[in-house]
Amino acid sequence: NAGVMQNPRHLVRRRGQEARLRCSPMKGHSHVYWYRQLPEEGLKFMVYLQKENIIDESGMPKERFSAEFPKEGPSILRIQQVVRGDSAAYFCASSPEQGYNQPQHFGDGTRLSIL
Amino acid sequence: KQEVTQIPAALSVPEGENLVLNCSFTDSAIYNLQWFRQDPGKGLTSLLLIQSSQREQTSGRLNASLDKSSGRSTLYIAASQPGDSATYLCAVGDSNYQLIWGAGTKLIIKP
Repeated sequence: NAGVMQNPRHLVRRRGQEARLRCSPMKGHSHVYWYRQLPEEGLKFMVYLQKENIIDESGMPKERFSAEFPKEGPSILRIQQVVRGDSAAYFCASSPEQGYNQPQHFGDGTRLSIL
Repeated sequence: KQEVTQIPAALSVPEGENLVLNCSFTDSAIYNLQWFRQDPGKGLTSLLLIQSSQREQTSGRLNASLDKSSGRSTLYIAASQPGDSATYLCAVGDSNYQLIWGAGTKLIIKP
């Protein structure tokens, strides 16, 4: 059973370009979470999605960032007009359902570098 | 607002020693607490999940305790090995789904 798959593993963009990060949850998981880890800092919650619905995007910047989890296909975190401060590791996690007893399973992350 | 702190930020010990990593949180109203391991350039591996009603969890050489009233958790690693070298992250379940993270303890086990 494949784990959470994120791609690309590394992404380099120039300032002003768009970055698209993909996350395929574990088989059977319908809940996806995105976290950002800035250099030398802990992870910060960004957004929680279920299939076709954004449940909580309170941790996501209001400008330039968006996320989706369509009925078919992976979850996408999209960053428009990237800036140097967007350089970070972006992690995706999934769980079979919501609940305090449901551990989140993480992917290997996408390392985004902005030139 | 929940804040999670991990002390020490880095720790280096000889192989074979038992060691304790600390995690503290400011709001005792938590759903659960998880310990993760992060290897350089890799993702996060869940080590132990303690529900708010539990006091401890064990897995192999790892034991995690939770004291909600004092806002503390410890991760105990017995008979450390070089393969245990990694960054250990503590995350508090602040709701049914949102995790609040500490900055981690970078552990080096010297052969």
